Amino acid sequence: EPEVTQTPSHQVTQMGQEVILRCVPISNHLYFYWYRQILGQKVEFLVSFYNNEISEKSEIFDDQFSVERPDGSNFTLKIRSTKLEDSAMYFCARTGTGISGYTFGSGTRLTVV
Amino acid sequence: KNEVEQSPQNLTAQEGEFITINCSYSVGISALHWLQQHPGGGIVSLFMLSSGKKKHGRLIATINIQEKHSSLHITASHPRDSAVYICAVTKTSYDKVIFGPGTSLSVIP
Repeated sequence: EPEVTQTPSHQVTQMGQEVILRCVPISNHLYFYWYRQILGQKVEFLVSFYNNEISEKSEIFDDQFSVERPDGSNFTLKIRSTKLEDSAMYFCARTGTGISGYTFGSGTRLTVV
Repeated sequence: KNEVEQSPQNLTAQEGEFITINCSYSVGISALHWLQQHPGGGIVSLFMLSSGKKKHGRLIATINIQEKHSSLHITASHPRDSAVYICAVTKTSYDKVIFGPGTSLSVIP
């Protein structure tokens, strides 16, 4: 299975700024997911995206968050106005084929200062 | 109540020891996943199970659907096995993954 690459690997941003996290490349997969992991805590589900639409979102995924697949290959998570508590590791994921299950991206560590 | 629980939370072993990490879950599932997370943070999928047992190298994963329990075994442990091992489940195919809290394993030479 090809890897799922996320960019940037680490981003530092000031509180209140907008950030866009990217997941590339995506090819021929319909199901995508974003998760986050606050330092020292377990991984939490944010949103799932199927056939270019949100299929499910958690209560964490409020109006500050949005997802897009802008050009058919990239898959982005936007946080409009970052808060300190948004500091976390963000993972995208896609379903695999056959027995491979899920493939997770390398992660983006977001630090809000 | 957490839908996925793991034990132990932390585990230290001597190189060469046989290691077992346990996972229990409280929901109906389509599959159970064992994942590995290294200090850099990336998550790697080790196994996806819906029944029985799977083996890959020194890693063995088993699941008992009736008991809602799974185990991950590492034979002949090595310091490079040091990582956080996460049990996770999906309730239906293509559903979101529900993560357990993870077990932090440290293998000492």
